[in-house]
Amino acid sequence: EVQLVESGGGLVQPGGSLRLSCAASGFTFSSNWMTWVRQAPGKGLEWVANIKEDGSQKYYVDSVKGRFTISRDNAKNSLYLQMNSLRAEDTAVYYCARDRPGLYSDYWGQGTLVTVSS
Amino acid sequence: QSALTQPASVSGSPGQSITISCTGTSSDVGGYNYVSWYQQHPGKAPKLMIYAVSNRPSGVSNRFSGSKSGNTASLTISGLQAEDEADYYCSSFTSTSTRVFGGGTKLTVL
Repeated sequence: EVQLVESGGGLVQPGGSLRLSCAASGFTFSSNWMTWVRQAPGKGLEWVANIKEDGSQKYYVDSVKGRFTISRDNAKNSLYLQMNSLRAEDTAVYYCARDRPGLYSDYWGQGTLVTVSS
Repeated sequence: QSALTQPASVSGSPGQSITISCTGTSSDVGGYNYVSWYQQHPGKAPKLMIYAVSNRPSGVSNRFSGSKSGNTASLTISGLQAEDEADYYCSSFTSTSTRVFGGGTKLTVL
């Protein structure tokens, strides 16, 4: 059974940093692109970033470029999102998801809440 | 990277059919057959309903179907059921190798 479990969310002050993790199991992690998607309270889904199977390609939404870094450790079956210079508008539930070759996400975690506030 | 355009809300009675549109540009929806649709119930993670415009994952009811014409994709739900009441989001691959979601559509089953 495919499982994705996010962790690392919490309350952080504006300008602060946070590192999210996503533990994957039930599939060959190293054979899949992986994605982060976020959802601000009461708002819609926003694609944040994705990363190729071997970590050699990464893509970001414009609003997080230069502040967020997506990475992975295939030996640990883990996906990460390093978030720096956090802003109030980064407050959201962050989901990790498995990508498929048709450029869609077929399995999603339950999400971790990040709150940026003083 | 502007969000795709979806109606904010749609509604229908049990047994009826509804269609949700998703309008983008030639740089996303119109340029690629990589449109997917997700269902999200309150407090839950999104669930994949349609991928590659019109393909259903195993386990998704055949009451759900997808299509595309030009820069607009559509999700049709036939034989509406109470459990279909949820938020629905479209997503597309883009010319910058990123992905973009629609603003979401709240489906109400009357």
